[in-house]
Parts: sequence; C-alpha cells; structure tokens
Amino acid sequence: EDQVTQSPEALRLQEGESSSLNCSYTVSGLRGLFWYRQDPGKGPEFLFTLYSAGEEKEKERLKATLTKKESFLHITAPKPEDSATYLCAVRTYSGAGSYQLTFGKGTKLSVIP
Amino acid sequence: DTEVTQTPKHLVMGMTNKKSLKCEQHMGHRAMYWYKQKAKKPPELMFVYSYEKLSINESVPSRFSPECPNSSLLNLHLHALQPEDSALYLCASSQENTDTQYFGPGTRLTVL
Repeated sequence: EDQVTQSPEALRLQEGESSSLNCSYTVSGLRGLFWYRQDPGKGPEFLFTLYSAGEEKEKERLKATLTKKESFLHITAPKPEDSATYLCAVRTYSGAGSYQLTFGKGTKLSVIP
Repeated sequence: DTEVTQTPKHLVMGMTNKKSLKCEQHMGHRAMYWYKQKAKKPPELMFVYSYEKLSINESVPSRFSPECPNSSLLNLHLHALQPEDSALYLCASSQENTDTQYFGPGTRLTVL
C-alpha cells in the first residue's frame, strides 16, 4: 500500500528562522512527487513537481529536494505570509491507464513575527 | 493561467435537498477531479474524469453523482446527503491524467 508521511505535524518558526519539512514515501512506482501550499478554507496551491532522485526546484524562499525515499521542503528566512499547511503528494499508477495522487497529512507551518 | 473556478463558495443544505456543485476550467485540460477534504485532513480523491469519461470512482456513495458535460465543466450532483458529508469539496484539473493537478478554491458544504 502506498504511504506518504509528513513530519513534523506542526512547526512554529520565528521570522527569519530557516527550517525544513520532511515527506517520506513508500510507493510501488513513483510517477512524481508534488508539494502544495494550502491556506485555511482554500484549495491547495501548486508549488513544485519532482520526478527523480537528486532533482531540486526553487521558488523564492522555498526549495524542494528529492531522494529515493523522501523529499524535503526547505524554507529560508521565512516570513509570516509563509504560514500555511504544506502538503506533499505522490502520484502512482492506479491501473487501466489512470494515475492518482496520495497525499500526506500535511505540516502546519506558523511563522511568528 | 492556471485558474479553476468553483461555484458556489458555500452551500448549506438539508438531508432531503438536491443540489449541485460546479467546476470550470478554460486551460484545455483533459482530466478533471473531485476531492473531499475534512477539517485538518488531506484531500481524498472521489472521482477522476479523463477525456470526459469517468476513469476512477473511489467507492463513493451513490448520493454523490458526478457529471462531465464537456471538457471544461465538471459537476457534482448531491442528493440525500448526511451530516458527515459536510466538508470542503475541491475540484482540480490537469493537462492529462499524468500531469500536475491545479486546484480550485473549493466549495464549503454544510449538511444540516
């Protein structure tokens, strides 16, 4: 069974205090790992897609990396507006030509001014 | 442009009502999805349409009935719902079933 585990569940940072979020996965055949940001009561906002070990993507204060078993979302010098829940999802083949995303439970990030 | 729109934003309905949720995208995407998200939980896949045909139905109760009238529209018809069906319903779309999914803002559904 495909599993995605995110840690920590919640993280409080002071503004400017860099840290990393972890997403570990156990899947039968990875077809992409995705990071989304979700604000309360809103839909997930796409951040990054990673496909192969060693791949890295950056956007402003965020950097995502991928190994064969886990992905990290590094947040450099975070600001209060980075506060949100960060979701990791893996795409796997579900048969009959279809693919689907399996989400982790998310990490709720709070950045304190 | 990666916009997916959903209407209504909020919906309150009784257990005997019939209502519909609507999702629209104009990005030429050929795959569309319905997810259900309970508070403090990740999104759970309900249905997948690919080229206007239902390709995945994750054992969703028949009181939820999806419809894809054309490649830009996706509806979710609701009938005889239960209070435990109250949740945020998310629509997403992707170029193909193998591509990045873009989510709409969601419809907050409350069943009384």
